[in-house]
Amino acid sequence: NAGVTQTPKFQVLKTGQSMTLQCAQDMNHEYMSWYRQDPGMGLRLIHYSVGAGITDQGEVPNGYNVSRSTTEDFPLRLLSAAPSQTSVYFCASSRIWGADQPQHFGDGTRLSIL
Amino acid sequence: TQLLEQSPQFLSIQEGENLTVYCNSSSVFSSLQWYRQEPGEGPVLLVTVVTGGEVKKLKRLTFQFGDARKDSSLHITAAQPGDTGLYLCRTNFGNEKLTFGTGTRLTIIP
Repeated sequence: NAGVTQTPKFQVLKTGQSMTLQCAQDMNHEYMSWYRQDPGMGLRLIHYSVGAGITDQGEVPNGYNVSRSTTEDFPLRLLSAAPSQTSVYFCASSRIWGADQPQHFGDGTRLSIL
Repeated sequence: TQLLEQSPQFLSIQEGENLTVYCNSSSVFSSLQWYRQEPGEGPVLLVTVVTGGEVKKLKRLTFQFGDARKDSSLHITAAQPGDTGLYLCRTNFGNEKLTFGTGTRLTIIP
C-alpha cells in the first residue's frame, strides 16, 4: 500500500532557487495538508486543502504556494528559497476534514537551503 | 494564536520505569489525537479522545482527556526501548487548521 508518497526525500537548494515538493496519495482522501517540522517547534501548518480546487493558508504560508487540481496530488512550491526554509516537510492526508479524523503522513522531504 | 504546549520537551528514562507526558492549552478542544513519530518517518496516529474525562488504553499506554477539555495526558507503564520517539498531540480550535503541539522527545534506555 503506497499511502502518502513524497518526493524527493532530500534536496539541497541555493538561496533564490525555486522548486516543487511533490505529494501524492492513493486513498481518495479529500483533506490534504503540508507541514514543516523544525527542532523544538513540532509541526507547523503551511497550507491545506479540503478538496480539489480548494486551498487555504495555515500558520506559516509565506514563501509557499499550493494548488490542488486533482484529489490525488498536492504539490508545494517554494517561490524563492531562503535559508529560513531549511526544514523537514511533511505532507498528510485524511479521508475528510475533522479533528477526529486520522491523518496519514508521508515520510518527509528534508530540504536544505544554502 | 492558540497553542498546544507539551511537557516535558525531553524525557530520558530507564527501561521498565513509568512516565507521563502532558498536552495543555488555554482553549477548549473539540477532540484530541496523539501521534508517535520515529526518526526518518512521519507521525503515526496512536489514539483519538473525544469526550471530556475519557480514558483510553492501548496496551501499556493510557490516554486521558481532561474534564475541562483543555488538557490531555499520556501515561506509559513499564517503558520499553520500542516506545522511544517523538510524541505529538494534535487538535483544532474550532477552525479547519489542525494544530500540533511542540512534542515530547522520549528516549528509553535499555
